[in-house]
Amino acid sequence: DGGITQSPKYLFRKEGQNVTLSCEQNLNHDAMYWYRQDPGQGLRLIYYSQIVNDFQKGDIAEGYSVSREKKESFPLTVTSAQKNPTAFYLCASRTISSGNTIYFGEGSWLTVV
Amino acid sequence: QQPVQSPQAVILREGEDAVINCSSSKALYSVHWYRQKHGEAPVFLMILLKGGEQKGHEKISASFNEKKQQSSLYLTASQLSYSGTYFCGTASGGYNKLIFGAGTRLAVHP
Repeated sequence: DGGITQSPKYLFRKEGQNVTLSCEQNLNHDAMYWYRQDPGQGLRLIYYSQIVNDFQKGDIAEGYSVSREKKESFPLTVTSAQKNPTAFYLCASRTISSGNTIYFGEGSWLTVV
Repeated sequence: QQPVQSPQAVILREGEDAVINCSSSKALYSVHWYRQKHGEAPVFLMILLKGGEQKGHEKISASFNEKKQQSSLYLTASQLSYSGTYFCGTASGGYNKLIFGAGTRLAVHP
């Protein structure tokens, strides 16, 4: 089945450690996104990528890094510079041929212990 | 700049109607509406691409007023399954830059 796969679903990290969240899509979508959601809050844009080897900062990029080496993959690294990384992270993708609809993955819960 | 949603929360009895508004200080290329249940990914409801466009999905419909830079989501004859948080997303400042409002929590009670 086509879709977006995020892994891991749940992740615990010690303070000072970097962690990478995986996002893979087999929808052949051009644009991919990472959003952060805190409990009871909205979706805030971290990074987005329109094509391979290109990405732009969103509204809260500090403490995060991404890469887009392949069209289907857009991993997010949460670095130790991110002061409050505990949150729900959502990856999404879309393309014009999909009617501009954004498709979301199931999300990854990151907890810093 | 994040679109502004109102109201922040709505409580309904089954069968009642509700309107959720979404406005932006920037010109809008499109407006996306999603519903999210707690701990789950947002689910697509509809997208509006043209000014004045209205779309419907079962008893949920939406309008897009490009001039006023705002969109409204209409929920009629609400059902228990409508409960959740509704988000509007807008593409502004660049076609592929999609940002979302803070959400409107909707609770439907029997």
